[in-house]
Amino acid sequence: EDQVTQSPEALRLQEGESSSLNCSYTVSGLRGLFWYRQDPGKGPEFLFTLYSAGEEKEKERLKATLTKKESFLHITAPKPEDSATYLCASNSGGSNYKLTFGKGTLLTVNP
Amino acid sequence: DAGVIQSPRHEVTEMGQEVTLRCKPISGHDYLFWYRQTMMRGLELLIYFNNNVPIDDSGMPEDRFSAKMPNASFSTLKIQPSEPRDSAVYFCASTWGEGRAFFGQGTRLTVV
Repeated sequence: EDQVTQSPEALRLQEGESSSLNCSYTVSGLRGLFWYRQDPGKGPEFLFTLYSAGEEKEKERLKATLTKKESFLHITAPKPEDSATYLCASNSGGSNYKLTFGKGTLLTVNP
Repeated sequence: DAGVIQSPRHEVTEMGQEVTLRCKPISGHDYLFWYRQTMMRGLELLIYFNNNVPIDDSGMPEDRFSAKMPNASFSTLKIQPSEPRDSAVYFCASTWGEGRAFFGQGTRLTVV
């Protein structure tokens, strides 16, 4: 059974203090590793898809990387508006569209 | 496009009552998903459809849950009878491509 584990569960940063979120996955035949952002009271919003080890993607202050066992979401010089829950999900070979989500990391950036 | 539209946004019902959640996917998307989110279990896939046909319902917790997609622009998730442990946020999502699902705002269900 596919498993996705995110750490830490919660992270509190000061504005400008860079850090990383971790997503460890155990899947058979990874087809994709996805990052989503979720704001309170809203649905998850797509950020990135990574398909192979060594791949990196960037968007503003966020950069996602992928190894054979984990993915990192690096946040550089975060701002208060980056505060949200960040969700990681895997898509394994059994089904093109069945995502297994981690429980997320709640990021709070203080001004 | 207005995105994935779910209704109602909030639902409070008594145990034993029937609950129907509704979803309108993004036009042109041929996959539709129903997820449930709780603090304990996170975001779980309940069922998904392709071209209005249910493909995988292995995440549906019990026979009390049923989902339909009568056409490309509408889907329902029904719980009958509802129980307090069904309280959660239910999300509908749609996509045309692998993994990049677009989520609705969710329906917060409270069963008392």
